[in-house]
Amino acid sequence: QSALTQPASVSGSPGQSITISCTGTSSDVGGYNYVSWYQQHPGKAPKLMIYDVNKRPSGVSNRFSGSKSGNTASLTISGLQAEDEADYSCCSYAGSSTFRFGGGTKLTVL
Amino acid sequence: QVQLQESGPGLVKPSETLSLTCTVSGYSITRGYYWGWIRQPPGKGLEWIGSIHYSGNTHYNPSLKSRVTMSVDTSKNHFSLKMRSVTAADTAVYYCATIYDGAYMDVWGKGTTVTVSS
Repeated sequence: QSALTQPASVSGSPGQSITISCTGTSSDVGGYNYVSWYQQHPGKAPKLMIYDVNKRPSGVSNRFSGSKSGNTASLTISGLQAEDEADYSCCSYAGSSTFRFGGGTKLTVL
Repeated sequence: QVQLQESGPGLVKPSETLSLTCTVSGYSITRGYYWGWIRQPPGKGLEWIGSIHYSGNTHYNPSLKSRVTMSVDTSKNHFSLKMRSVTAADTAVYYCATIYDGAYMDVWGKGTTVTVSS
């Protein structure tokens, strides 16, 4: 089971927008609309930010949005804030009640 | 509001069995959800280990399936993970989480660090 592919790092200045990609295959990202994204600050547990490709849980800022095209999902953060600096991981349902995570992307707010 | 708390030994010897428990509070484990284990080796990404329903139905990561067993104790409102024949590669922070709608991890425990070393 290979991990989904994410860039190791991305960066942006406050107020800017950034996008993190998550590439899989037709057996996971491309095959199901069950991609989720997690934010993780150092030493903390992951926090759900996006589920079912583009849905936001209650309490998550509308600056966070998700999308998918083919085998690649994306997380976009608009109006970057210092508090957004964290690691972001994607996860996809991969059939037969299994899941695959991406390797994680470190977001730096310059 | 559902809360999860992992517990178990922080140090396990190579070739032995890692045993962890996730205690659920604020929600009956029999009301639904799948319950999952996820781990994160130092400096690496998250890895799904497996999921269990209160009925006992389980699903495991194919790469770990031969070494992993998950169980549920509804009387104690907790679920457990056992991983056999551990090596240094199993050193990680282990998280338990709710798996809502069978599709995403909604609520996470704080995680517990397990080190495999003699």
